[in-house]
Amino acid sequence: GAVVSQHPSRVICKSGTSVKIECRSLDFQATTMFWYRQFPKQSLMLMATSNEGSKATYEQGVEKDKFLINHASLTLSTLTVTSAHPEDSSFYICSASTNTDTQYFGPGTRLTVL
Amino acid sequence: RKEVEQDPGPFNVPEGATVAFNCTYSNSASQSFFWYRQDCRKEPKLLMSVYSSGNEDGRFTAQLNRASQYISLLIRDSKLSDSATYLCVVNPGGSYIPTFGRGTSLIVHP
Repeated sequence: GAVVSQHPSRVICKSGTSVKIECRSLDFQATTMFWYRQFPKQSLMLMATSNEGSKATYEQGVEKDKFLINHASLTLSTLTVTSAHPEDSSFYICSASTNTDTQYFGPGTRLTVL
Repeated sequence: RKEVEQDPGPFNVPEGATVAFNCTYSNSASQSFFWYRQDCRKEPKLLMSVYSSGNEDGRFTAQLNRASQYISLLIRDSKLSDSATYLCVVNPGGSYIPTFGRGTSLIVHP
């Protein structure tokens, strides 16, 4: 099946720093990539949707200036958490989708902000 | 009414039992439906798509009821390894922006 990678898998940083997370579709071209956040024992929350070469569409309540998304190619999207704070600590998961609309998820990035 | 609703459970069943989950959706124009499985602290993995005619894969059967706007997942002969959270995903027509349910927790015990 389709494989999506995420890097890094885990990051611990100090408050105020920025963290970049990469999401790659390894064996297919993704027309759309999604970024989710999941807090412990809660459901996935869609943060934003991005299509290659265009600006991301953010869900209500998600600050686009804080969570910068770049979808540079059909196989790569990045999420940068700017000036991270402890409340940003969460499990960030990307997914990639082709025209068939099935989503394939990356393994996730666990962010801890001290 | 939430767009996609699931009973969070947990469903606590013995090995070998048959268990079924439902997932209701509010958008009657929804086009495609999926069941995902998520293990603790892991990403969701696609379990199966749900077709109008029903879909069976080994011990798992998924069905769609458009009239009542729900999808179901049936697991027969439960295994310990089936313990996980099962997420339903509904894609509304046109935009392909997926909507996830909160998930149903299944615990299979010896």
